[in-house]
Amino acid sequence: AQRVTQPEKLLSVFKGAPVELKCNYSYSGSPELFWYVQYSRQRLQLLLRHISRESIKGFTADLNKGETSFHLKKPFAQEEDSAMYYCALSHGSSNTGKLIFGQGTTLQVKP
Amino acid sequence: NAGVTQTPKFQVLKTGQSMTLQCAQDMNHEYMSWYRQDPGMGLRLIHYSVGAGITDQGEVPNGYNVSRSTTEDFPLRLLSAAPSQTSVYFCASSSAGTSGYEQYFGPGTRLTVT
Repeated sequence: AQRVTQPEKLLSVFKGAPVELKCNYSYSGSPELFWYVQYSRQRLQLLLRHISRESIKGFTADLNKGETSFHLKKPFAQEEDSAMYYCALSHGSSNTGKLIFGQGTTLQVKP
Repeated sequence: NAGVTQTPKFQVLKTGQSMTLQCAQDMNHEYMSWYRQDPGMGLRLIHYSVGAGITDQGEVPNGYNVSRSTTEDFPLRLLSAAPSQTSVYFCASSSAGTSGYEQYFGPGTRLTVT
């Protein structure tokens, strides 16, 4: 079954501390992996995607096919990073606009 | 561009009532989807469409209908509202082009069924 799992409901860190939001997936084939973020009172928006291998707002994520993981990392958390983060999976080559989301992790960065 | 718009922002229904959640996009995107967001469950796909006149079921389609008569609009109909449909509903659109699979989300509709 295709599934995305985010094991932590809440991750609370202090400003300046490293952050790692975990994401594991189950998918037979070549998926596309994404991280979406929802800041307070804002709509859900794309943070980054694995195919572009970019760093956005200091966040990076590496696709590890052996461990079927796509963890989101940032070396030094900022208060403005506080938000809900969703890991999501798209059917790689057969893009139909469908995403499978994980349960979401709330990141709380304390001053 | 307004992007993806949804109306209403909030709605309270009684059990058994019907209503339509509106969604429109002005980006000429081929793909549109409806998700519901529930605490601890993330976003789950209700229905989706790959173009005008073409719709298909997602993970949780029961109790909902959709149609796509134009590229721009993708309304979601609740046929007979139930308390289990209390949720936040998000509409999203994306392009079928090579620019990737980024989905653009609307602001959401918060629905309460009593």
